[in-house]
Amino acid sequence: EAGVTQFPSHSVIEKGQTVTLRCDPISGHDNLYWYRRVMGKEIKFLLHFVKESKQDESGMPNNRFLAERTGGTYSTLKVQPAELEDSGVYFCASSQGFLGAGDEQFFGPGTRLTVL
Amino acid sequence: AQSVAQPEDQVNVAEGNPLTVKCTYSVSGNPYLFWYVQYPNRGLQFLLKYITGDNLVKGSYGFEAEFNKSQTSFHLKKPSALVSDSALYFCAVRARRRDTGRRALTFGSGTRLQVQP
Repeated sequence: EAGVTQFPSHSVIEKGQTVTLRCDPISGHDNLYWYRRVMGKEIKFLLHFVKESKQDESGMPNNRFLAERTGGTYSTLKVQPAELEDSGVYFCASSQGFLGAGDEQFFGPGTRLTVL
Repeated sequence: AQSVAQPEDQVNVAEGNPLTVKCTYSVSGNPYLFWYVQYPNRGLQFLLKYITGDNLVKGSYGFEAEFNKSQTSFHLKKPSALVSDSALYFCAVRARRRDTGRRALTFGSGTRLQVQP
């Protein structure tokens, strides 16, 4: 079974440019999450999709970040325009969504974003 | 608000010795608790989780963790460390409350484990 995949693995852009990150969850997983780890600090939640709907956007830092999940399959996270403080590793995770079982989240390898 | 504390940035242990990576948490109500590991240039890998039941949870690669409700801790342990265990370890928590609908994990800042030969 294929795991969570993310593209690209690395991205280096200049301040003010736009970058789009992509995440393909495990097939059949309705829940998709975006997280970010900045400057070696804790991994912070950004948002959560259930199928194509945004369930929880409470972690999105500002309106420069736009996440979509058209058709409830893969998701994209666009940063426009990128700022220096957006640099970090962006993780995507997916889960089946069985709350009673602790709903284990499976993580992708991450996209390392560097904004110069 | 949920929070996780991993008080040690780095833990050094000799191969063959027992290891402990500490984690304490704060959450409303009963928690789901998780440990993840990140090897160099790899994503987060699930190690183990506590849902309910026995306080001692066994996971992958010989790791185990002990849930202590009174101390709000979930320390990761292994009886005999291997050099290949060297990696970055993250503790995470989520509230179990059904009515919140919130599934996001709250992570600690990570602890780097270095096992010396």
